[in-house]
This record gives sequence, C-alpha cells and structure tokens, in this order.
Amino acid sequence: QVQLVQSGAEVKKPGASVKVSCKASGYTFTSYGISWVRQAPGQGLEWMGWISAYNGNTNYAQKLQGRVTMTTDTSTSTAYMELRSLRSDDTAVYYCARVRLRSWFDPWGQGTLVTVSS
Amino acid sequence: EIVLTQSPATLSLSPGERATLSCGASQSVSSSYLAWYQQKPGLAPRLLIYDASSRATGIPDRFSGSGSGTDFTLTISRLEPEDFAVYYCQQYGSSPYTFGQGTKLEIK
Repeated sequence: QVQLVQSGAEVKKPGASVKVSCKASGYTFTSYGISWVRQAPGQGLEWMGWISAYNGNTNYAQKLQGRVTMTTDTSTSTAYMELRSLRSDDTAVYYCARVRLRSWFDPWGQGTLVTVSS
Repeated sequence: EIVLTQSPATLSLSPGERATLSCGASQSVSSSYLAWYQQKPGLAPRLLIYDASSRATGIPDRFSGSGSGTDFTLTISRLEPEDFAVYYCQQYGSSPYTFGQGTKLEIK
C-alpha cells in the first residue's frame, strides 16, 4: 500500500536548522510530487511548499522563501525538508503528503514534531 | 492568495444527525479544485473528498461534497461516533494551496 514514513521528533535551539525526511513506498516515486504542511500546536494546517520528484522543481510558500529547501533522493524514494534559522514559532508538527500538480494530498505521513526551544 | 473561511467554527450534534459544514473562498476556486480532510487528535489528516464532490477510496457514502466557484459544502448524512473530529477544506487550484481554519465537529 502507498505509505509515507517520516523521521522522528526533533528538538532544536533558536537559530539552528532541522531536516525532516519522508520515505515513500508502494508507488512510483517519480510519478508524483511531495508537499509539506505544518501544524502549530492547537492550530490549523499551513502549506509550506511542493517538490516534484520527477524533476526537482519546487514551489515554496512566500513566507518561508529563503529559509526552506525541499529536495528528493530518487535512489531511496525519500523527500527532505530543511528549515533554517529556526524560531520558536516554527514549533509544529510537520507533515509530508503525496501530490500531483494541482491535485489533492493523499496519503499523508505520520508527522514529525519539531520543537524549537532555548 | 485564496482565503478559505469555514463555518461554523464548532458544530455540536448527536450521532445519527446530519452535519453540514461550509467552506467559502475569497475568489473562485478553479475547476473545483477543492478537497476536504478529516483530522483526529494526534493523527495526520485523512482525505475525504477531492475535486469538490468525489469521494476518496474507502470513504463511506455518508460523506458527500458539493459546490463550485466560491461556495462549497461537506455533508455527513448520519453521524457515526467516529465522525467527531476536525474537518479542513483546502484549495489546490492556485498556489499557495491554502487551507481553511477548520470546523470542529463535537458530540452534543
């Protein structure tokens, strides 16, 4: 079955970077893209960006431009999201989801809690 | 950026009742590229409806979606105990792919 498995929880200090992984299985990785969505504690869902696993094209949310980088490793069917210059308001659960261009998000990974605290 | 506004923020109903959740868009959502997701505490969102009215694989037929343009609705015909959760709408027609703020469906 189609599955996305994310890396484990992280605790980071302000100003540091975090890199979250999302390993895909059960489908042809390069036929889809991966979107990243985050959810601050008790809050709603925020789209962060998208990467094509076919050609590496990216589209980032404007508010994260310059701080976020999304990449893929097609040899291991894994997507990565790196967020730099972390602040306390980056504390959130980060989700990856399989997508196609202009399509719904399905399925989702289980989520990775990133806590930013001094 | 398309802003999605969901109403009501909280809906209190009993099992067996009908639930109607609304999602309004600040501008027309192209080609009805709108999805609905269900999220339970501690879990990732789950796709229910895509393209405004198509049910995702394995979703019971008590869930239905409708609407176009700027007004969309998710209807749950007869609430089951497992349906009490938070529901989000999302548009994927134009970047950024925005979400509504969510409707919490709680047991009355």
